[in-house]
Amino acid sequence: QVQLQESGPGLVNPSETLSLTCVVSGYSISNVYHWGWIRQPPGKGLEWIGSIYNSANTYYNPSLKGRVTISVDASKTQFSLSLRSVTAADTAVYYCARLPSGGGFDIWGQGTLVTVSS
Amino acid sequence: DIVMTQTPLSSPVTLGQPASISCRSSQSLVHTNGNTYLSWLQQRPGQPPRLLIYQISNRFSGVPDRFSGSGAGTDFTLKISRVELEDVGIYYCMQASQFPYTFGQGTKLEIK
Repeated sequence: QVQLQESGPGLVNPSETLSLTCVVSGYSISNVYHWGWIRQPPGKGLEWIGSIYNSANTYYNPSLKGRVTISVDASKTQFSLSLRSVTAADTAVYYCARLPSGGGFDIWGQGTLVTVSS
Repeated sequence: DIVMTQTPLSSPVTLGQPASISCRSSQSLVHTNGNTYLSWLQQRPGQPPRLLIYQISNRFSGVPDRFSGSGAGTDFTLKISRVELEDVGIYYCMQASQFPYTFGQGTKLEIK
């Protein structure tokens, strides 16, 4: 059974870099799926941050103005999110998820709350 | 970006009665490969989203058959034939036909 689990600091200082990891268990990250990050500010809706495919092809939301990097670990058991120059507006629950060719994110992590505050 | 607009934003429903949520996209969601990547997700309180429907009308594994999706082009609908207590939550449509992927604002389903 494939499971995803996010991990990383729950508190980040403004202007610093938010770094999260998604550990994929029960499956080796392959070329079959896209792997993505989605966030949800408290009490608000969902925003797609970006996705990675084939360990090297990345797609990012332009709304994040080039602050995002997504990468896959060499072991292919986890992928990461880096969001630079964060502000309070980046406070959200961050989810990692798998996207099969059918186009719907079918497996989600439980999410991790990241608060940007000094 | 493709804007996804859901109506209603809140839907009070009586148990056992049907419910319907509409999702309209600002552009056609037909991909160049001919597929339409419109999905529906359910988010129960305190939980991550859960995939219900993909490519307009395909129910994901384990999803009860009281959930159904329909539509084409820019207009899509999620229907619940008989609402149960466990259906309470927020429903989102999402398009993955064009980058950046975008979600609707969410529709809150509650019991009257």
